[in-house]
Amino acid sequence: NAGVTQTPKFQVLKTGQSMTLQCAQDMNHNSMYWYRQDPGMGLRLIYYSASEGTTDKGEVPNGYNVSRLNKREFSLRLESAAPSQTSVYFCASSEALSPVDTIYFGEGSWLTVV
Amino acid sequence: AQSVAQPEDQVNVAEGNPLTVKCTYSVSGNPYLFWYVQYPNRGLQFLLKYITGDNLVKGSYGFEAEFNKSQTSFHLKKPSALVSDSALYFCAVRDPPSGNTPLVFGKGTRLSVIA
Repeated sequence: NAGVTQTPKFQVLKTGQSMTLQCAQDMNHNSMYWYRQDPGMGLRLIYYSASEGTTDKGEVPNGYNVSRLNKREFSLRLESAAPSQTSVYFCASSEALSPVDTIYFGEGSWLTVV
Repeated sequence: AQSVAQPEDQVNVAEGNPLTVKCTYSVSGNPYLFWYVQYPNRGLQFLLKYITGDNLVKGSYGFEAEFNKSQTSFHLKKPSALVSDSALYFCAVRDPPSGNTPLVFGKGTRLSVIA
C-alpha cells in the first residue's frame, strides 16, 4: 500500500550542486505534482503534469526542471542549488486534473542547501 | 484567481472541547473545497472535501466541515478534541471555471490540543 513514494528523504547540498528528487506512484494516477513547503508560506506548486507527456509550470518554477518519465514517475531537478531552495518538497498525485479529484501526497523530502 | 485564507496561524484548545479551524475562500464560480492534515515530519493526509450537495461534510477521524456560501467559508470542526489531533491543518480550493487546475492551498493553521 505504498501510494506516493519519494526519495531521498533527507539531503544536504552545497550551493551550486545539482540533484534530482525522485517520485513514483502506484495508484495508476494520471496527474502528478511537486510542491514546496516553507514556514508561514503553506504549500506552493512548483510544477505539475496533467498526464503522461505533459508538464506545466506552477506558482514557483524558477530554478527547477521536471521530467514525467512515464505514468508512474515524476522527477524534480535542481540544476544549481541555491540556499533559497532549502525547503521540504512534496510529490503528489491525483487520478486526473479534474476539480473533484483528491490529491495524495508523499512523505516529503527535506532539502538543505548550504 | 482562486485563493484561500486561513486567518489563524495557531489554535489552542483543551482536550474534550470542541474545535474550529477557520477557512475562507475566493473564487469566481462554485468552489470545490478540501481539508488536509499534516502530522510532524509527515506528508499531507486528506480529511474531507466539499463538491456539491449537503453543506455539512463528514470526514476522517471525526472531523466535519461546513460550507457556507454566503460567508465564503469552509470551517473545519470536531465536537471533542483529542491530543492526537494536534497537527498542521490546510484548507485548499479549486475554482472550476478556471479549468482543470491544481489545488491552491492556504498557509496552514497549527492546532494544539492541550491535555
